[in-house]
Amino acid sequence: GAGVSQSPSNKVTEKGKDVELRCDPISGHTALYWYRQSLGQGLEFLIYFQGNSAPDKSGLPSDRFSAERTGGSVSTLTIQRTQQEDSAVYLCASSLAIQDTEAFFGQGTRLTVV
Amino acid sequence: AQSVTQLGSHVSVSEGALVLLRCNYSSSVPPYLFWYVQYPNQGLQLLLKYTTGATLVKGINGFEAEFKKSETSFHLTKPSAHMSDAAEYFCAVSDGNQGGKLIFGQGTELSVKP
Repeated sequence: GAGVSQSPSNKVTEKGKDVELRCDPISGHTALYWYRQSLGQGLEFLIYFQGNSAPDKSGLPSDRFSAERTGGSVSTLTIQRTQQEDSAVYLCASSLAIQDTEAFFGQGTRLTVV
Repeated sequence: AQSVTQLGSHVSVSEGALVLLRCNYSSSVPPYLFWYVQYPNQGLQLLLKYTTGATLVKGINGFEAEFKKSETSFHLTKPSAHMSDAAEYFCAVSDGNQGGKLIFGQGTELSVKP
């Protein structure tokens, strides 16, 4: 596609449920990043992928968070047993390679845990 | 470790006035520096970046920023504000090996008064 696509754009879930957030990067981009944007914490790095591997998971806030990428393309961020503090906008970005300095961002998924 | 501090969470200017958004960084390695803009309910868009070379960097929409190593600063300026510049602006830093993995400042919301 022309840009980074994220789905759903909005998700409301009940506390304790699992959610999956999807990111479809720009075609040909090998590097993919997940960030979280929340009122209290600003923009936080979560994880990045180079191809299908995730060399840096340092930003994942707890073991309830996981991500995978298959086929070097689409990525899924999964949050298990959601908590209210997980409410945030989850942004995905991609770049040609990890060394590339321009990351293109999607419009994000707004997650609300009630 | 790298970090970014943006001075002023809210800045208000009159249309036609100078825009100055301040950013200071901390980095143990030569930094790559970025300014991103975020319009309401949208993702992040790259305004400009500094990697190496010329320290005065020009970006889109008439913005520019100057990398000052001695002051560890990368302030964003625009000579004359337009109403359409109202948005949130984020300064970010990365290292050269992981150019797309960004550490963001807390953001500055720019308001433009008619």
